[in-house]
Amino acid sequence: EVQLVQSGAEVKKPGESLKISCKGSGYRFTTYWIGWVRQMPGKGLEWMGFIYPGDSDTRYSPSFQGQVTISADKSINTAYLQWSSLKASDTAIYYCARRDCSGGSCYVLTSGWFDPWGQGTQVTVSS
Amino acid sequence: SYDLTQPPSVSVSPGQTATITCSGDKLGDKYASWYQQKPGQSPVLVISQDTKRPSGIPERFSGSNSGNTATLTISGTQAMDEADYYCQAWDSGTVVFGGGTKLTVL
Repeated sequence: EVQLVQSGAEVKKPGESLKISCKGSGYRFTTYWIGWVRQMPGKGLEWMGFIYPGDSDTRYSPSFQGQVTISADKSINTAYLQWSSLKASDTAIYYCARRDCSGGSCYVLTSGWFDPWGQGTQVTVSS
Repeated sequence: SYDLTQPPSVSVSPGQTATITCSGDKLGDKYASWYQQKPGQSPVLVISQDTKRPSGIPERFSGSNSGNTATLTISGTQAMDEADYYCQAWDSGTVVFGGGTKLTVL
């Protein structure tokens, strides 16, 4: 079974750093892009960026470039999302999801869908 | 930036057909995917590549995409289909989600 398991809920203070994780299993982790998606309280889904664990090629949404860092450790099939200085506005649920594709569309990062999704990590930033 | 527009809410009676739209400039030239999210749960893929239904997704879910509008159709809607639904597409290497539609079955 293809599965993404995320790290547990976090409660942090403004200015603190944080790194959350997403561990893949049941498939070849290095050959699928992993994306991160933010969902603020009561709001919709926002794409943050991707990483290709095979070579750590990383792409960011312009909205999140410079705000977060996406990384991966292929030796343990795990992707990460980290902040160096959290703000109250970072309070949200963060999901990781595997980007899937078919045929020739897999060779370019211009199409595809997300399946499966991790269970989400609740991040709460409050003084 | 590229925008996908969904109606905030759609209501349907049990057993009837629910239609959720997603509009974007020349969306029909791109592939659209759809996700279902129930309260307190992660999103689940229900339609990929405009019309493809993943294994395990009931046949009552179908999709189409033409012109500027992608459509998710749920035939014979059941109470268990009450959820938020999000469309998704790509634009210039970036992922775009619609704002989401709350489907109420009443």
